[in-house]
Amino acid sequence: DSGVTQTPKHLITATGQRVTLRCSPRSGDLSVYWYQQSLDQGLQFLIQYYNGEERAKGNILERFSAQQFPDLHSELNLSSLELGDSALYFCASSPGHFSGNTIYFGEGSWLTVV
Amino acid sequence: KNEVEQSPQNLTAQEGEFITINCSYSVGISALHWLQQHPGGGIVSLFMLSSGKKKHGRLIATINIQEKHSSLHITASHPRDSAVYICAGAGGTDKLIFGTGTRLQVFP
Repeated sequence: DSGVTQTPKHLITATGQRVTLRCSPRSGDLSVYWYQQSLDQGLQFLIQYYNGEERAKGNILERFSAQQFPDLHSELNLSSLELGDSALYFCASSPGHFSGNTIYFGEGSWLTVV
Repeated sequence: KNEVEQSPQNLTAQEGEFITINCSYSVGISALHWLQQHPGGGIVSLFMLSSGKKKHGRLIATINIQEKHSSLHITASHPRDSAVYICAGAGGTDKLIFGTGTRLQVFP
């Protein structure tokens, strides 16, 4: 158990809909990362928050947004969903803001868009 | 541009064999993560190293900074080692740059 909790584990939704994925980092970790893993793209970095502030942005679509709350949990919002958004979405956390720290991954949220 | 290249893409082995997975990376990457992804999808961080060698059980990871190369070794492989192994580079930013992964299957 990494200590990172993601909900929901599985989600099936229709095109055009909006979903929210939730992540609780390991106790004490200030950084939260979001990654997308699709069959044809592998793991892609989406966005990182550190202590409530956006710190780094990757290949995140404009239809997607995220935030980190004062209690350090984070949410990834995916809107106007398309079939191609079907993927496994991982949240990870680490103690500091430099990715040279050990990173702890959640179990992932499987999103299927139909 | 930071890049991470991993080889081989697929690897099969008999139980007990010594396994090596390689990862080369570009300038700008100062630390390497080795990750294991199980068939169910979960990702476990195996090692993070910026120099030298680390060992955990039957797993050994090495990094050569001059050659920008890292290897993950599995000694006395076992079917439960079957998984996808991913190397990921960490540079000056907080983004991880992922290799494409090595799918390992160990047969009894």
